[in-house]
Amino acid sequence: AQSVTQLDSQVPVFEEAPVELRCNYSSSVSVYLFWYVQYPNQGLQLLLKYLSGSTLVKGINGFEAEFNKSQTSFHLRKPSVHISDTAEYFCAVSDWGGGTDKLIFGTGTRLQVFP
Amino acid sequence: ETGVTQSPTHLIKTRGQQVTLRCSSQSGHNTVSWYQQALGQGPQFIFQYYREEENGRGNFPPRFSGLQFPNYSSELNVNALELDDSALYLCASSLGTGIYNEQFFGPGTRLTVL
Repeated sequence: AQSVTQLDSQVPVFEEAPVELRCNYSSSVSVYLFWYVQYPNQGLQLLLKYLSGSTLVKGINGFEAEFNKSQTSFHLRKPSVHISDTAEYFCAVSDWGGGTDKLIFGTGTRLQVFP
Repeated sequence: ETGVTQSPTHLIKTRGQQVTLRCSSQSGHNTVSWYQQALGQGPQFIFQYYREEENGRGNFPPRFSGLQFPNYSSELNVNALELDDSALYLCASSLGTGIYNEQFFGPGTRLTVL
């Protein structure tokens, strides 16, 4: 079964600074990868996904991620963060099991943006 | 277009009780997936319903059960509640079962078991 490791539980950063949230997944022949954001008291919103094709994936709100098969990583980046980016970020990988495709989530990274 | 809605928002139960959580899927979506998110953890897949049939299940005991109705709304039922069942329960709807279909999440129901 697939698994996901988010290496940082919390990432503090100042406004307008760049940020990288790290995600590693267990190896597989083929894999689909996702980043979701969860604002306080809200459900998850899809930021971006890698299904195939270009390894650099652009998402909403200025975020992007790079799929690196050799390092089994899918790190999320933003060149300049805003206060409103403060949230919990989850990396997820697809996994077939129990009769269906499903998402396997990491434990999350809390991004705290300071003024 | 209405998004995914869940009710109730919060719920407090005691050990041994039973609970039913509800989810209305986004218009046109025929697939609903349920997740449990314990405090400080990522969501864990419970099961998925597609056209009123269970279409896959995660590592949860049989006391977690579900239903999907003809309008594709869904219920999650948990019997014999345990303290560890305290969590945020999320449902997500999608146009189909394949992973290519984006899952749209509701705001969740926070269940506290005392």
